[in-house]
Amino acid sequence: GQNIDQPTEMTATEGAIVQINCTYQTSGFNGLFWYQQHAGEAPTFLSYNVLDGLEEKGRFSSFLSRSKGYSYLLLKELQMKDSASYLCAVMDSNYQLIWGAGTKLIIKP
Amino acid sequence: GAVVSQHPSWVICKSGTSVKIECRSLDFQATTMFWYRQFPKQSLMLMATSNEGSKATYEQGVEKDKFLINHASLTLSTLTVTSAHPEDSSFYICSARVPDRTAYEQYFGPGTRLTVT
Repeated sequence: GQNIDQPTEMTATEGAIVQINCTYQTSGFNGLFWYQQHAGEAPTFLSYNVLDGLEEKGRFSSFLSRSKGYSYLLLKELQMKDSASYLCAVMDSNYQLIWGAGTKLIIKP
Repeated sequence: GAVVSQHPSWVICKSGTSVKIECRSLDFQATTMFWYRQFPKQSLMLMATSNEGSKATYEQGVEKDKFLINHASLTLSTLTVTSAHPEDSSFYICSARVPDRTAYEQYFGPGTRLTVT
């Protein structure tokens, strides 16, 4: 079966760095997405990785290792507004998005 | 660019009635749209894939006669929840794929919160 695993909840301090991990097992791979979702709102796109390595975009970076079926989202200089759920999703061989359950990130002052 | 809108943003209806939710791509043409449902503290669950001009493809376990999807134009897909029951109360989100983007990135609408009383 297809499976995406990510921690249910994480807590971090304002100004610090946090890494949210995602491991996956899917039938085929056409890229991995990270989305941010604030409570009661729709997800917003953060990043897309299809090749191994680190993609940096401002305070957010995303890493992919296809051989390990592993990705992480790195958030630097955390701000209170970063409190949200972070969803990992993998596009399988049929170009369908397989979603993780999301990681709720709590930022404390 | 790549803005997706949904209407209404929230709706309350009585059990047994039908509710229609609209999903529009505002600045691009979307040949493919997706309908998701999300229960509290859970991830997105794909309900169906909506293709312009053809029948929707429903995920396993989703009743096609209960959740009617129509994708009559390149900018509009509708989801009708027929004979709604309280267990249909959920957050319904549509998304659209931008056809000329190689990343197959999906843009999401703001969601519709349905409450069935």
